[in-house]
Amino acid sequence: EVQLVESGGGLVQPGGSLRLSCAASGFTFSSYWMSWVRQAPGKGLEWVANIKQDGSEKYYVDSVKGRFTISRDNAKNSLYLQMNSLRAEDTAVYYCARDPGGALKRTDYFDYWGQGTLVTVSS
Amino acid sequence: DIQMTQSPSTLSASVGDRVTITCRASQSISSWLAWYQQKPGKAPKLLIYKASSLESGVPSRFSGSGSGTEFTLTISSLQPDDFATYYCQQYNSYSGITFGPGTKVDIK
Repeated sequence: EVQLVESGGGLVQPGGSLRLSCAASGFTFSSYWMSWVRQAPGKGLEWVANIKQDGSEKYYVDSVKGRFTISRDNAKNSLYLQMNSLRAEDTAVYYCARDPGGALKRTDYFDYWGQGTLVTVSS
Repeated sequence: DIQMTQSPSTLSASVGDRVTITCRASQSISSWLAWYQQKPGKAPKLLIYKASSLESGVPSRFSGSGSGTEFTLTISSLQPDDFATYYCQQYNSYSGITFGPGTKVDIK
């Protein structure tokens, strides 16, 4: 069974940093593109970043470029999001999500999602 | 960037109703569109990809259609488990991945 379990969320002051983790199981993690998607309280979904199987390609939404860094450790079956210079507008539930393309391609939609971790940026 | 809109924003319906949600893209995205269902406090669930392909395990009362800039999600006979918020998502371009604002389906 595919499982994605996020952790690392919490309350942080504006300008602060936080590192999110996503532990993957039930599939060959190293064969899939992975993404972070966020959802502000009561709002819609926003794709944040994704990363290629070997970490050699990474893409970000404009609003987080230069502040957030996506990474992965295939030996640990884990995905990460380092978030620096946090702003109030970064407050959201952050989901990790799997791209179903597998080793052959990137599809850019998401077939499995974690339960999410809440990040609150407030003084 | 490609902007996505959905209509209506809220839809009130009864069990057994046929329900249609529309998603529009600001430019052509061919058939690169997915639909998700989200219930309160839960992660989104993939329903449809490539505009009309049903994800494995999703009931056949869900269907998707469209191409270019206009797409629809249809629920042929609304069930109690279907009351939720539905999002479309385009994945055509590398100007990014964008979601629609959502359509909440609630009980009439």
